[in-house]
Amino acid sequence: EAEVAQSPRYKITEKSQAVAFWCDPISGHATLYWYRQILGQGPELLVQFQDESVVDDSQLPKDRFSAERLKGVDSTLKIQPAELGDSAMYLCASSPGTGVNQPQHFGDGTRLSIL
Amino acid sequence: TQLLEQSPQFLSIQEGENLTVYCNSSSVFSSLQWYRQEPGEGPVLLVTVVTGGEVKKLKRLTFQFGDARKDSSLHITAAQPGDTGLYLCAGPKNTGNQFYFGTGTSLTVIP
Repeated sequence: EAEVAQSPRYKITEKSQAVAFWCDPISGHATLYWYRQILGQGPELLVQFQDESVVDDSQLPKDRFSAERLKGVDSTLKIQPAELGDSAMYLCASSPGTGVNQPQHFGDGTRLSIL
Repeated sequence: TQLLEQSPQFLSIQEGENLTVYCNSSSVFSSLQWYRQEPGEGPVLLVTVVTGGEVKKLKRLTFQFGDARKDSSLHITAAQPGDTGLYLCAGPKNTGNQFYFGTGTSLTVIP
């Protein structure tokens, strides 16, 4: 079981509904990432946090996606309204700091299916 | 445009066979990481290669970083069903501890 906790593991909802994902990183890890992964492909970064601040959200579709990490610990990713094309695995990862070769530790993800 | 191209995209082999997975780029990377992702789970880091020409071994897995640091390979000897999964390479962007992930190789080892 991954040390980075994510919930829920699975989410099925209808288009136009709101969905939210939660991530609790490894204790003490300052950097937190949200990725989206299409089945069989590599993860694509949506947003990166350093403590409570957003470092990069250039790939986040801000018209419908939002992310926060208010106290610099756990984080929430929200989609409103959800679209069919949002069906994917949403992965959270954390790392100790910002060094180039810092390992990223991934959670087991939330599998989202939009009907 | 994918910065890191992996080949093959899919691979299905019999238990006991050997295989090689490739990760190629036109860009130079300071390091490359390899991950394995099992169905329904997140990627797990296997190794980081840092020096051009470097070879690292992890039991039956051998990782090599190209001399020019633009490519890497993963060789598995005597594959086992437990090796089944999605293999991903990842290279760092210039800043912010972000990574480009490769297109992935989905490996199935048949008992």
